[in-house]
Amino acid sequence: ETGVTQSPTHLIKTRGQQVTLRCSSQSGHNTVSWYQQALGQGPQFIFQYYREEENGRGNFPPRFSGLQFPNYSSELNVNALELDDSALYLCASSLFAAMNTEAFFGQGTRLTVV
Amino acid sequence: AQSVSQHNHHVILSEAASLELGCNYSYGGTVNLFWYVQYPGQHLQLLLKYFSGDPLVKGIKGFEAEFIKSKFSFNLRKPSVQWSDTAEYFCAVRSGYALNFGKGTSLLVTP
Repeated sequence: ETGVTQSPTHLIKTRGQQVTLRCSSQSGHNTVSWYQQALGQGPQFIFQYYREEENGRGNFPPRFSGLQFPNYSSELNVNALELDDSALYLCASSLFAAMNTEAFFGQGTRLTVV
Repeated sequence: AQSVSQHNHHVILSEAASLELGCNYSYGGTVNLFWYVQYPGQHLQLLLKYFSGDPLVKGIKGFEAEFIKSKFSFNLRKPSVQWSDTAEYFCAVRSGYALNFGKGTSLLVTP
């Protein structure tokens, strides 16, 4: 186990709805990143949060948004869900320190949009 | 942005066979390279990483990888696979704040 916990583990939503996914980072880590892993693909970087601010973003539209809280936990919000948003959403925590740091992943939230 | 390509999408091996999974990254100066494994139903786990120094990196569970700068490669190897190595393997390169992953290689080890 990595100490990174995500909730819920599975979720089914209808197209057009909104969803919030949650992540608790590993103890001692101050940075949270979110990834989307579609079936048969590698994880794709959505964004990263550090000091409660987004400090890096991948190629995802603004309807993907997030928050980081003072205890370093994080939320991923997706508005106006589309069928293609169906994927495994992974949270990774790390210690923000230049480049030589590794990320620890949670088990993910499996989102199905119908 | 740095990107990664993995050559083998599906690999089937018998137990005790040797494994080599290919990974190439795009040029971008200093590189941080990773191999992650995803066992069925489990989270992504770090197998090994390369930041600098000895280009031959040893990881967990008997895996190793060699960073060859001239070939922009970071291939994963294991001399003798076990049935428990059945999993999805991902090569990744750090690009700014992000990890850029390859599409993964699905390894099936048969008894």
